[in-house]
Amino acid sequence: EAGVAQSPRYKIIEKRQSVAFWCNPISGHATLYWYQQILGQGPKLLIQFQNNGVVDDSQLPKDRFSAERLKGVDSTLKIQPAKLEDSAVYLCASSHSRLAGGLGELFFGEGSRLTVL
Amino acid sequence: DQQVKQNSPSLSVQEGRISILNCDYTNSMFDYFLWYKKYPAEGPTFLISISSIKDKNEDGRFTVFLNKSAKHLSLHIVPSQPGDSAVYFCAARGPFSSGSARQLTFGSGTQLTVLP
Repeated sequence: EAGVAQSPRYKIIEKRQSVAFWCNPISGHATLYWYQQILGQGPKLLIQFQNNGVVDDSQLPKDRFSAERLKGVDSTLKIQPAKLEDSAVYLCASSHSRLAGGLGELFFGEGSRLTVL
Repeated sequence: DQQVKQNSPSLSVQEGRISILNCDYTNSMFDYFLWYKKYPAEGPTFLISISSIKDKNEDGRFTVFLNKSAKHLSLHIVPSQPGDSAVYFCAARGPFSSGSARQLTFGSGTQLTVLP
């Protein structure tokens, strides 16, 4: 079974530029999550989708971050304009159920490391 | 406001000995706790979990203990092996929030190094 795919693995941009990350979840997983992991911290949830609908985006900085999952499969996370503090690893995860984390069912991708100069 | 804390950023243990990783939490509404393991350049992978109605869960060399009164959980690895060297995150599941979603709140991680 293929895992969660993310791209690009690494991205370096200057502040005020824009960047987009792509995620393809495990086939059949209805729930998709984007997490931000800043160096030395644990992953922090940015947004959670159930199929193509948003169920929680309370911690997404909506003035600069946006995410979509148009057909209920792939998802894109965009940052525009980027700030220095956005430097982090952006992790995508998927699960069968929207009951996040129950029974350890979150499967993470390898992450996309963003450096903002 | 850190609701899940891992106060030890790193831990070194000799191969064959016990590794004990600790995690404290503040939110009494958390009802499910998990440990994830992360190797460099990889995403976290699920290791073991425990429901808040239990105080112990064991899976092979890994045992998680939960002390609800102290709001503390720990992961024991016995015996420790060099391949266990990784960052370990504890995570806690919160109650339903907006849109019937339940969030996982992660600690900051502990880097375990098992010395041969």
